[in-house]
Amino acid sequence: AQKVTQAQTEISVVEKEDVTLDCVYETRDTTYYLFWYKQPPSGELVFLIRRNSFDEQNEISGRYSWNFQKSTSSFNFTITASQVVDSAVYFCALSGTNTGGFKTIFGAGTRLFVKA
Amino acid sequence: DGGITQSPKYLFRKEGQNVTLSCEQNLNHDAMYWYRQDPGQGLRLIYYSQIVNDFQKGDIAEGYSVSREKKESFPLTVTSAQKNPTAFYLCASSVGLALETQYFGPGTRLLVL
Repeated sequence: AQKVTQAQTEISVVEKEDVTLDCVYETRDTTYYLFWYKQPPSGELVFLIRRNSFDEQNEISGRYSWNFQKSTSSFNFTITASQVVDSAVYFCALSGTNTGGFKTIFGAGTRLFVKA
Repeated sequence: DGGITQSPKYLFRKEGQNVTLSCEQNLNHDAMYWYRQDPGQGLRLIYYSQIVNDFQKGDIAEGYSVSREKKESFPLTVTSAQKNPTAFYLCASSVGLALETQYFGPGTRLLVL
């Protein structure tokens, strides 16, 4: 069975603080992808990053960085110097081949509040 | 600009009424999906379609129906059999099914009068 756990339901930080959103996954697939999406108050999910199971290199994009560790089945997301515009719900997701079918599993999301 | 459009943004349903949510994409994607999101919750898959004229039930298909007559369009009908339809509905598309990035529309918020 595949599963994505985002244990942090809500996080509140003050602007300019760094914040890390945790994502732990379970899968028996050897080939899979991990994703992060941002859902601002408007509601639309915005794709942020995709990582395949064979690439454990960390990724940095501006103030965003992602740490993928297969040994701990984690794909954590860090926002450096957070801004009010980062306030949103963030979803981690997993997609694998799942034995002849398809499945993209979304975590329950972490709501981030960034206060000015 | 390529993307996914959903209409209407807000929809009100009366008791016993069927309503249809529209989803259109011009990304030339083969796969399309419908998700339901309840307040403070994650996404739950209602239906998905890999190609035209083919679709499959997701985790919570009861009370919903879909069609896929054109590659660009994947409308969702919320039938009167869906007893608790109030939710935010998101449509998505991807190049294919497994291992592909899904891109989302802006969503439709359905409210029951």
